[in-house]
Amino acid sequence: NAGVTQTPKFQVLKTGQSMTLQCAQDMNHEYMSWYRQDPGMGLRLIHYSVGAGITDQGEVPNGYNVSRSTTEDFPLRLLSAAPSQTSVYFCASRQREGSEQYFGPGTRLTVT
Amino acid sequence: AQRVTQPEKLLSVFKGAPVELKCNYSYSGSPELFWYVQYSRQRLQLLLRHISRESIKGFTADLNKGETSFHLKKPFAQEEDSAMYYCALRDSGGSNYKLTFGKGTLLTVNP
Repeated sequence: NAGVTQTPKFQVLKTGQSMTLQCAQDMNHEYMSWYRQDPGMGLRLIHYSVGAGITDQGEVPNGYNVSRSTTEDFPLRLLSAAPSQTSVYFCASRQREGSEQYFGPGTRLTVT
Repeated sequence: AQRVTQPEKLLSVFKGAPVELKCNYSYSGSPELFWYVQYSRQRLQLLLRHISRESIKGFTADLNKGETSFHLKKPFAQEEDSAMYYCALRDSGGSNYKLTFGKGTLLTVNP
């Protein structure tokens, strides 16, 4: 199993540009989530999904959209990038009843 | 609302010294506590969960419901323990699937 994969690893955007961060998992996990990691702020939940077709907002959802058309994929869309969205983004997944959350390798995004 | 507090952003110890990373939580339900670790340039990975009461890489953590704490301890720190450590909380019952993280403690073990 590849586990949780994310692409790209690095990305530089200009303010106002849009892009999609890809996340996929091959463990048939129902739950998937997106976090951003910022110095001194820890990990903050952006959006999450409890299954295909079901998504909900986390702690810091503004400026981001998600969809979950399949169990495997959970892309994160930045609608109009802002410098405040410069961060490292982690995707994670776990089983419904499972307690361990598996993380992807992260995407380092810089918005200039 | 569930909250996890890690009071120390940075912790520096010498190799062979004991180390304790503090974690306090607030939650009215039945919490499940975890420690995740992130080594340099690697993804986050689970280190410990309180329900399994295990020792991983020499680390242990005991859930103290009276003090609402879940401190991570190791009697003799090693240089390879240098990493960012996150305490996390999840409701063990119901449909609450959200994992709430603390802000993390960066542990540096000096030679």
